[in-house]
Amino acid sequence: GAVVSQHPSRVICKSGTSVKIECRSLDFQATTMFWYRQFPKQSLMLMATSNEGSKATYEQGVEKDKFLINHASLTLSTLTVTSAHPEDSSFYICSARDGGHRLDSPLHFGNGTRLTVT
Amino acid sequence: AQSVTQPDIHITVSEGASLELRCNYSYGATPYLFWYVQSPGQGLQLLLKYFSGDTLVQGIKGFEAEFKRSQSSFNLRKPSVHWSDAAEYFCAVGGGGNKLTFGTGTQLKVEL
Repeated sequence: GAVVSQHPSRVICKSGTSVKIECRSLDFQATTMFWYRQFPKQSLMLMATSNEGSKATYEQGVEKDKFLINHASLTLSTLTVTSAHPEDSSFYICSARDGGHRLDSPLHFGNGTRLTVT
Repeated sequence: AQSVTQPDIHITVSEGASLELRCNYSYGATPYLFWYVQSPGQGLQLLLKYFSGDTLVQGIKGFEAEFKRSQSSFNLRKPSVHWSDAAEYFCAVGGGGNKLTFGTGTQLKVEL
């Protein structure tokens, strides 16, 4: 079945540094990918919608200069947390839509990245 | 705007007992509805989805859900719970564009 690979699964970084998280669709082309943030014991909050070849669409309240999203190919989107601070520590999950932009197109999730900023 | 409410934060059931997880949604038109399951430290796995047609939807792992428009609900059910069903369950609604809105989740604990 369709697989989304998210890497790394865990990362610890020092405050002030930047961290890049990759999201790859392994056996399908994903014109649209989504990035979510999940706080402990809480739901997934959509951060941004990443469209291949164009700028990402950020949700209200998400700092686009802090959370840089690049979707350079149909199989890869990256999220870079710039100048990370302890409050950026969270579980980040990507998902990729298989076969178009519609809601009835399958949506596959990565296994998430646990970011800890010290 | 679309929204989802999962009234139960935690539910504990005995293995073999039946299960119902509640989900209420708010959306102005016919919604797309989903149930996902998340194991600790993992991404989400789709259990089932409703787009149109038969309001009783069958999913994987023996789960089913019923869309009730009059109650704006999409409750998840399973006749007999297994210990491996312990996880976090999320209801989600789609309809506004390409995005899903997730509920706050229900943590299921299964007692042996």
